[in-house]
Amino acid sequence: TQLLEQSPQFLSIQEGENLTVYCNSSSVFSSLQWYRQEPGEGPVLLVTVVTGGEVKKLKRLTFQFGDARKDSSLHITAAQPGDTGLYLCAGEDDKIIFGKGTRLHILP
Amino acid sequence: NAGVTQTPKFQVLKTGQSMTLQCAQDMNHEYMSWYRQDPGMGLRLIHYSVGAGITDQGEVPNGYNVSRSTTEDFPLRLLSAAPSQTSVYFCASGLAGGTGELFFGEGSRLTVL
Repeated sequence: TQLLEQSPQFLSIQEGENLTVYCNSSSVFSSLQWYRQEPGEGPVLLVTVVTGGEVKKLKRLTFQFGDARKDSSLHITAAQPGDTGLYLCAGEDDKIIFGKGTRLHILP
Repeated sequence: NAGVTQTPKFQVLKTGQSMTLQCAQDMNHEYMSWYRQDPGMGLRLIHYSVGAGITDQGEVPNGYNVSRSTTEDFPLRLLSAAPSQTSVYFCASGLAGGTGELFFGEGSRLTVL
């Protein structure tokens, strides 16, 4: 059974601080995605990482795929209240499965 | 652009009733899937399909049936609803073959009494 473990489950920090959330698995995936979900809406893709060791940047968000393609991290620099939301990682092989998510709250 | 359309958005059922959640996409995506989302549980895969005529079970398939007669449509059937199936259901579609991006519907909130 494939599992994606996300940590921490909840994170509440002050505006301007940096943070990192993690997505770990014992399985190898062909690609890994990060999504963000707002209340009452479906998740929206932030980034896809495919190559082991790959690093992608999206403004203040930095995504890294582990060398073995089993884990990933999301780092946010200088968090803003607009970053508040549920962050989900998803791994793909023949199907796409999700972790339980990290609920992030940025305090102004 | 319609994208992924789910109906109904809200539904209340009694235990033992059956119903179908509809999902349609207009992006010609091969891959379609159904997830349920419960508090603290993320998205759990119920069933998925990699093309018309092909379906497979996900992580939590019991109590649900699917079919994929066309590329556009992927209905989810609850055969005999149970309170444990109270949840928010999301349909998603995407390109098969490793691009990874899923496009989600707005969700269907189901309550089973």
